[in-house]
Amino acid sequence: AQSVTQLDSHVSVSEGTPVLLRCNYSSSYSPSLFWYVQHPNKGLQLLLKYTSAATLVKGINGFEAEFKKSETSFHLTKPSAHMSDAAEYFCVVSDHLDSNYQLIWGAGTKLIIKP
Amino acid sequence: EPEVTQTPSHQVTQMGQEVILHCVPISNHLYFYWYRQILGQKVEFLVSFYNNEISEKSEIFDDQFSVERPDGSNFTLKIRSTKLEDSAMYFCASSPRVHSNQPQHFGDGTRLSIL
Repeated sequence: AQSVTQLDSHVSVSEGTPVLLRCNYSSSYSPSLFWYVQHPNKGLQLLLKYTSAATLVKGINGFEAEFKKSETSFHLTKPSAHMSDAAEYFCVVSDHLDSNYQLIWGAGTKLIIKP
Repeated sequence: EPEVTQTPSHQVTQMGQEVILHCVPISNHLYFYWYRQILGQKVEFLVSFYNNEISEKSEIFDDQFSVERPDGSNFTLKIRSTKLEDSAMYFCASSPRVHSNQPQHFGDGTRLSIL
């Protein structure tokens, strides 16, 4: 069975410092992995996706994530945090079967940016 | 950029009443989904819909729930007799086709409050 674990429920960083949001997954197949962001009172916006091409994936707003199969990780990073990055971030995995396609969500990590 | 739109943004309903949540998916998308997020909990899959029928549903999606595509643009979620535990944020999503590497595009959600 697939699952996603986001290791931190809250991460607090100062503006201008690096961001690291951790995600580990388990999957029986070669997974596709996504990061979504949810700003307060807004919907879920796709940040980036990994689909078995390059292991380092670049997304919007300066975020990137690296797929590490040996560590079953897909951590999200950004070199320099901005106040507008304050939001909740979800790591998501999907299976590789076309007939049974469903997103499995992590519990989310709330990113807090200190001025 | 095309968006998934959901109405209303907030719905307050008495327990036992029927409620219909509305979604307009992106126009050239063929696959539609409903998710819910109870306050403080994970995003949970409810149902997927393709070619005018349900393609997959979760255990949450019991006989009280139904979905419909009444015309070429709307995709609705109906809860026949609401319960207190139905209070949640409900998200509609769509994708152009079903494949594990296809991201789903989400609306801003409807916050359903059952009194």
